[in-house]
Amino acid sequence: AQKVTQAQTEISVVEKEDVTLDCVYETRDTTYYLFWYKQPPSGELVFLIRRNSFDEQNEISGRYSWNFQKSTSSFNFTITASQVVDSAVYFCALSNMKTSYDKVIFGPGTSLSVIP
Amino acid sequence: DAGVIQSPRHEVTEMGQEVTLRCKPISGHNSLFWYRQTMMRGLELLIYFNNNVPIDDSGMPEDRFSAKMPNASFSTLKIQPSEPRDSAVYFCASSLAGVRGNTIYFGEGSWLTVV
Repeated sequence: AQKVTQAQTEISVVEKEDVTLDCVYETRDTTYYLFWYKQPPSGELVFLIRRNSFDEQNEISGRYSWNFQKSTSSFNFTITASQVVDSAVYFCALSNMKTSYDKVIFGPGTSLSVIP
Repeated sequence: DAGVIQSPRHEVTEMGQEVTLRCKPISGHNSLFWYRQTMMRGLELLIYFNNNVPIDDSGMPEDRFSAKMPNASFSTLKIQPSEPRDSAVYFCASSLAGVRGNTIYFGEGSWLTVV
């Protein structure tokens, strides 16, 4: 069975602090994709990143960085020097690479509040 | 490029009424998904279409829910009759299936309130 766990339900940080959102996944598949999506207060779901199970290199995009570790089945997301605009719910997700139907399993989400 | 377009953005209806939500996927995408988001259950996949054909509707909660995709650029999700517990945000999403690890892109959602 596939499952995505985001143990942190809510996080509050003060602006300019760094924050890491945890994501732990479960899958029996050896090939899979991992995703992060952002849902700001306006409600839309915004794609942030996709990472395949073959590539464990960390990725950095501006203030965002992602740490993928297969050994611990984790795909954590760090925001450096957080800003108020980063306040949102962040979803980690998992999909199977073996089928053309990429059913995406979403975690419960972590609500991040960045306080000015 | 236009993203996934959903309508209406907000709908308030009375219990027992029929509700129809509409979606236009991203041009060129051949997969379409309907998701429902609630506080209690999070994001749930209701149904998935590939090339306009329903492939997996195991997430459709009951017979009151139906979805159609008459062509590659349009889909509807219908609830008849609606009930208060159907109140949720309904997201339509699309992707280009066949490309392994294709990314799903979401619309802005239709916020449904059934009173």
